[in-house]
Amino acid sequence: DSGVTQTPKHLITATGQRVTLRCSPRSGDLSVYWYQQSLDQGLQFLIQYYNGEERAKGNILERFSAQQFPDLHSELNLSSLELGDSALYFCASSVGAGDEQFFGPGTRLTVL
Amino acid sequence: GNSVTQMEGPVTLSEEAFLTINCTYTATGYPSLFWYVQYPGEGLQLLLKATKADDKGSNKGFEATYRKETTSFHLEKGSVQVSDSAVYFCALDPASGGSYIPTFGRGTSLIVHP
Repeated sequence: DSGVTQTPKHLITATGQRVTLRCSPRSGDLSVYWYQQSLDQGLQFLIQYYNGEERAKGNILERFSAQQFPDLHSELNLSSLELGDSALYFCASSVGAGDEQFFGPGTRLTVL
Repeated sequence: GNSVTQMEGPVTLSEEAFLTINCTYTATGYPSLFWYVQYPGEGLQLLLKATKADDKGSNKGFEATYRKETTSFHLEKGSVQVSDSAVYFCALDPASGGSYIPTFGRGTSLIVHP
């Protein structure tokens, strides 16, 4: 158990819909990262927050957004969903930049 | 931008064989380097790390040395077990120089047969 929790574990929805994925970091970790993992693209970094502020942005689509709340949990919002958004979405946390990341179990999103 | 290249898989070995998974990187500055492992149905977990040149990370019989001159961080294990079957990811995290974007390789699947 990494100490990082993600909900829900599975999500099935339709194209055009909007979903919210939730992540609670390990106690004491200030950084939260979001990744998308698919068979054809591998593990893609989406976005990082540090203590409530956006720190780095990767290959995140404009239809996707995220935020980190004062209690340090984070949410990833995916809207206008397309079939190609079906993937595993991982959240990870770390103490700070450059430190080892602790990954959650992931949310498997299926868009039908 | 930064990049990580690791060997294509799957790598298929017999139990007790020697393992090498190659990883090379491109980055400015002095990033930290990591190997993560992902077992089926689970998230990634840290296997080992190195934070500066010539550092050797080790854990559970796995080793990797941070080679700045060859920009490499190859993973090795002297004798693999069936339980080592998983996907292995090489990664870097710059943590400085104005970039905080972690970069992962595409992963190498390891299959160990009894």
